[in-house]
Amino acid sequence: GENVGLHLPTLSVQEGDNSIINCAYSNSASDYFIWYKQESGKGPQFIIDIRSNMDKRQGQRVTVLLNKTVKHLSLQIAATQPGDSAVYFCAEPYTGRRALTFGSGTRLQVQP
Amino acid sequence: DAGVIQSPRHEVTEMGQEVTLRCKPISGHNSLFWYRQTMMRGLELLIYFNNNVPIDDSGMPEDRFSAKMPNASFSTLKIQPSEPRDSAVYFCASSPEGADTGHGYTFGSGTRLTVV
Repeated sequence: GENVGLHLPTLSVQEGDNSIINCAYSNSASDYFIWYKQESGKGPQFIIDIRSNMDKRQGQRVTVLLNKTVKHLSLQIAATQPGDSAVYFCAEPYTGRRALTFGSGTRLQVQP
Repeated sequence: DAGVIQSPRHEVTEMGQEVTLRCKPISGHNSLFWYRQTMMRGLELLIYFNNNVPIDDSGMPEDRFSAKMPNASFSTLKIQPSEPRDSAVYFCASSPEGADTGHGYTFGSGTRLTVV
């Protein structure tokens, strides 16, 4: 699959630096948020999720922060590697539906 | 586990022709989702099934689009007749029943459709 391309915001970082990708969501009633990673030619892949009763959740090299007051979600990647280069999407459930709605995505480019 | 399998990977067809996209979900997953990805609209939900039954098809753009799930291991998305504006990448995803929404959401590799 080809990523949504030319209109994506792009974050360019040096290898080894930390990356922060941001997402604003619209539905204050959402109780669950997910970050997906999409590499070129592939489908989106689950990275990490967080429930609305949490402010922070950590995984391996990734941390998700949730600020419900301003309806903001961020994904932090520690020690960014070339393999982290991809498009990152935040997602939340559609209201009343057992399916996900996705943000427009951010392209992360890691410079060696 | 082979994951969600979609076919074909690429499809080029002429306007007016019928196109059928196929999906095999992960065994044991009871929910199946079809999404479309374009530059202009990003990832859009088209339809989803639970236990082979269509639950919500409000995302299907027109009557030219139809989807079926005749059994737990197979689904199709059909476009008839196809138009150039249908060109996109179509993704299928599956999820186990009872899983937290999103956590058990596994996507296939997609079908890139080009209608000329």
